[in-house]
Amino acid sequence: GAVVSQHPSRVICKSGTSVKIECRSLDFQATTMFWYRQFPKKSLMLMATSNEGSKATYEQGVEKDKFLINHASLTLSTLTVTSAHPEDSSFYICSVAGGLAGNTDTQYFGPGTRLTVL
Amino acid sequence: AQSVTQLGSHVSVSEGALVLLRCNYSSSVPPYLFWYVQYPNQGLQLLLKYTTGATLVKGINGFEAEFKKSETSFHLTKPSAHMSDAAEYFCAVSYNQGGKLIFGQGTELSVKP
Repeated sequence: GAVVSQHPSRVICKSGTSVKIECRSLDFQATTMFWYRQFPKKSLMLMATSNEGSKATYEQGVEKDKFLINHASLTLSTLTVTSAHPEDSSFYICSVAGGLAGNTDTQYFGPGTRLTVL
Repeated sequence: AQSVTQLGSHVSVSEGALVLLRCNYSSSVPPYLFWYVQYPNQGLQLLLKYTTGATLVKGINGFEAEFKKSETSFHLTKPSAHMSDAAEYFCAVSYNQGGKLIFGQGTELSVKP
């Protein structure tokens, strides 16, 4: 498989501030990473697909100016929630496509980041 | 639109009993099929996957699933439930390598002592 980390694991911020979440692929170079959002007791909602060196592809209904994604290297993608509001409070999870075996058919997930906006 | 349906948002079994979590997909084109498990406040862990080849797939922690094309199903089973199996289980499909996953609604598995 692949080892994926996220930082921070938990963040609490005031309304109006921006929060950056990092997703790292620790043991292989990930061309493609995904960002998901999960509400309590709900399934995962894909927000965007992040490709190294190019602009992210956002899903319909996701505000790209609010959720800024940068995939500057093959091991790091960041999600910045700009001007966060309480309704942005959620569990954010990233995933990478692939792994050491080179099987890009599988996504491996990070441990998630719990964002609480006061 | 392609979709994934998990029958039963909550399944409860006794320790030692058979676990059966159902998953159906809505496409005539066989997708790649996955089962993930999520423990509270954690990310998703891959249990098993089907891409090609043998339709009965064995995964971690004693779980297995069988791809049945005629039924467009990929049900997850485990012969004997353990308390540690209590978690949320997600079935997911994708239609190309490295492509986006379409998730089912999830099934919460409870295991009674």
